[in-house]
Parts: sequence; C-alpha cells; structure tokens
Amino acid sequence: EPEVTQTPSHQVTQMGQEVILRCVPISNHLYFYWYRQILGQKVEFLVSFYNNEISEKSEIFDDQFSVERPDGSNFTLKIRSTKLEDSAMYFCASSPEVNQPQHFGDGTRLSIL
Amino acid sequence: QKEVEQDPGPLSVPEGAIVSLNCTYSNSAFQYFMWYRQYSRKGPELLMYTYSSGNKEDGRFTAQVDKSSKYISLFIRDSQPSDSATYLCAMSADNTDKLIFGTGTRLQVFP
Repeated sequence: EPEVTQTPSHQVTQMGQEVILRCVPISNHLYFYWYRQILGQKVEFLVSFYNNEISEKSEIFDDQFSVERPDGSNFTLKIRSTKLEDSAMYFCASSPEVNQPQHFGDGTRLSIL
Repeated sequence: QKEVEQDPGPLSVPEGAIVSLNCTYSNSAFQYFMWYRQYSRKGPELLMYTYSSGNKEDGRFTAQVDKSSKYISLFIRDSQPSDSATYLCAMSADNTDKLIFGTGTRLQVFP
C-alpha cells in the first residue's frame, strides 16, 4: 500500500539554526499538509499546500516557517531560526482531494538544544 | 469550551471485550469525521472516515456520528492485544483542509 515517507526520523539541531524536514507524499495525491505534535499534546495543523501554493495555515505557521515542493515528489518544511519550543514531532500528510482522508507519515522528531 | 474533547484514558480492557471510544465537539460546521490509530513512535494511521451523520462498519470497527448531539464514537469488537494504541478522533468542515484532533485515548488490551 502506498505510504507517506518522512526523513530524517530524528533531527537534533542547535537553537537558532535552520532545519529542513522532508516528505515524499503518496504519488497521486494533490494536497499536502504539515502537522506537529508537542510531547503529550494533541496533533496540531500547521499548513496545507495545493498547486504550489499555501491554501491554508494556522497561527503557529509564522514567518519562521516555509514550505516548498522543490520537485515532483518531495515536500519540505523549513524552519528558519529554530527555537526551543519548536521541539516536537512533525508529521507530513497527503490526500487526493480536499475533504478526502489524509494519510500520515511516521513523522520527524525534532529536538532543539 | 474546547473544539474537540476526548477522554485521554488510559482504558484497559481484556482481550475479546467490546471497546467504545468517544469524542464530543462544539463546532457545528464539522462534516467530516475520522478515527486514527497511533502506535508509539509512529504516525496516525487512518481507521475510519465518515461524512455527516450515520454509521460505518469495517471489519471489527464501527464508527458512529450523531451530529445533533455533536458526538462521535468508535466501537471495536473482539478487541485484540494488537489494538493497544492511542486512538485519535479528527474532524474538519467543508472547504477547509484543516483537521482538528482530539487529545487521543490510550487503549490497552490485555491477554
């Protein structure tokens, strides 16, 4: 069964450094998403992306965050200058259409020191 | 009032039991309702997806949506130790991609 893959599984970064999290969505899906889950808290929506544009973003997704689809298969989340509070699990998801089921990857655990 | 509320558990049941997991919500605009299963150190895995009110069955799993009460349920029949995981409800409204998740209920099925 097709799946969403994310790399790396764990990323350790110094505070203030830039980090890029990578995702390969399911190949025939058109909508892509990033969510995060701080330890012990609920999964929170960050951003959705369709047709090379952000379609929706949350208040968490501030100017430090950006997303990109650099080629036909990858979808990336960049955090420009990481803060301690950015430590979380980051999940990528994709769906074939809006309001269709979203399928998640296994996440990247981001640890900011 | 939180947008989506879910009892965090943990819920501990013997193998073979029927499990009932529930979420309540406050936003009447929600139309799409999902249940995900999340094993430790893994991503959410889609179990059930329903639109508007009604029931949906898939194997040992049944999802129910009662929009008049703003209440959704997931029933697991003949529960197995492999069902031990955290179960997340999620929902969204029309014309939005954003899923709103509950906090998750941790389920443990013991042999």
